[in-house]
Amino acid sequence: GAVVSQHPSRVICKSGTSVKIECRSLDFQATTMFWYRQFPKQSLMLMATSNEGSKATYEQGVEKDKFLINHASLTLSTLTVTSAHPEDSSFYICSAKSQGGSSTEAFFGQGTRLTVV
Amino acid sequence: GQNIDQPTEMTATEGAIVQINCTYQTSGFNGLFWYQQHAGEAPTFLSYNVLDGLEEKGRFSSFLSRSKGYSYLLLKELQMKDSASYLCAVRDSNYQLIWGAGTKLIIKP
Repeated sequence: GAVVSQHPSRVICKSGTSVKIECRSLDFQATTMFWYRQFPKQSLMLMATSNEGSKATYEQGVEKDKFLINHASLTLSTLTVTSAHPEDSSFYICSAKSQGGSSTEAFFGQGTRLTVV
Repeated sequence: GQNIDQPTEMTATEGAIVQINCTYQTSGFNGLFWYQQHAGEAPTFLSYNVLDGLEEKGRFSSFLSRSKGYSYLLLKELQMKDSASYLCAVRDSNYQLIWGAGTKLIIKP
């Protein structure tokens, strides 16, 4: 299957700082990437959908100024958590869809465990 | 609203068979997915159903009935490494994935 690489896998940051998470599709072109957040023992919650070259579409309740998403190329999307607070501590996962209609599944990155202290 | 229901937790014995059910109510339907997620890791794809019937892939099988809004994941010859959460997700009319809360499967020796 296709490979999506997410970096870093774990990050600890101080409250008030910003953290950038990268999501790369390694062997295919991802026209659409999805960013999810998952709290312990809960399912994935879609935060935003990003399309290459255009602004991301955020889900209701997700602050676009706090969670900055950039999808500058067909292989890279970034999520920046700005002015992080302890309540932002969570597991962040990206997934990517390839160009064309043949792909049915979303390919997931490894996830990023963010801890804000 | 859109809703995906699956049991919170199930327990089974190594070597046995377990069936995890999923019922859904979504605005449109463009396929149902099952993912496996080990603690602290991202989900990994298990199966995809878009037509009614059973899809078999090794020890895992997935069934779909669109008229009943129902699917199940069947795991045979259970192994300890199958202990994980199993997520049911439905792609709606907007091609967005709607996720269930996941079923935590505990395998006992």
